[in-house]
Amino acid sequence: DAGVIQSPRHEVTEMGQEVTLRCKPISGHNSLFWYRQTMMRGLELLIYFNNNVPIDDSGMPEDRFSAKMPNASFSTLKIQPSEPRDSAVYFCASTRGETQYFGPGTRLLVL
Amino acid sequence: KNQVEQSPQSLIILEGKNCTLQCNYTVSPFSNLRWYKQDTGRGPVSLTIMTFSENTKSNGRYTATLDADTKQSSLHITASQLSDSASYICVVSPSRGYQKVTFGTGTKLQVIP
Repeated sequence: DAGVIQSPRHEVTEMGQEVTLRCKPISGHNSLFWYRQTMMRGLELLIYFNNNVPIDDSGMPEDRFSAKMPNASFSTLKIQPSEPRDSAVYFCASTRGETQYFGPGTRLLVL
Repeated sequence: KNQVEQSPQSLIILEGKNCTLQCNYTVSPFSNLRWYKQDTGRGPVSLTIMTFSENTKSNGRYTATLDADTKQSSLHITASQLSDSASYICVVSPSRGYQKVTFGTGTKLQVIP
């Protein structure tokens, strides 16, 4: 199994631009999570899907952030418009049962 | 407020030596505690998960302990290897599953030859 796949691995964009991060969970996993990691705040849960349905989006910082999971094998996290404070590493993770598997992350830099 | 505090923030040890990382939490209610290892530039990888009734759990050279009364956990690494250099993150959950978890800020471990 290829594990959780994220793309792009690195993204550099200018303030105000739209950014779309992509995630392919492990096949058969029914839960998907988006996290953000920064030096100052560590790991933060942004949103959690179960069986493609958003269950808890209370961690999404503001309306500029949105996430979708149109099917069991694909999810996106969109930031529009992006701001420099959004610069972070964004992780996608999927679970089935007790173990959670993280993707390699997307390192986002907003100038 | 739910908090997870880890100590030390960073640690340097010689290859072959043992070390212990600490995690104190104030999360309530408590369901389970996990330790993750995160290599530089990679996502976290689960090492152990312990529920309220478990005092210790091992994964190879990693042994985690839990004292639910004092709300403390430790991760002991035996006979450290260079590949143990990473950040170790303690995560506490008030319920079964991964939502509503509280993350510690991690301990950065460097193992030197």
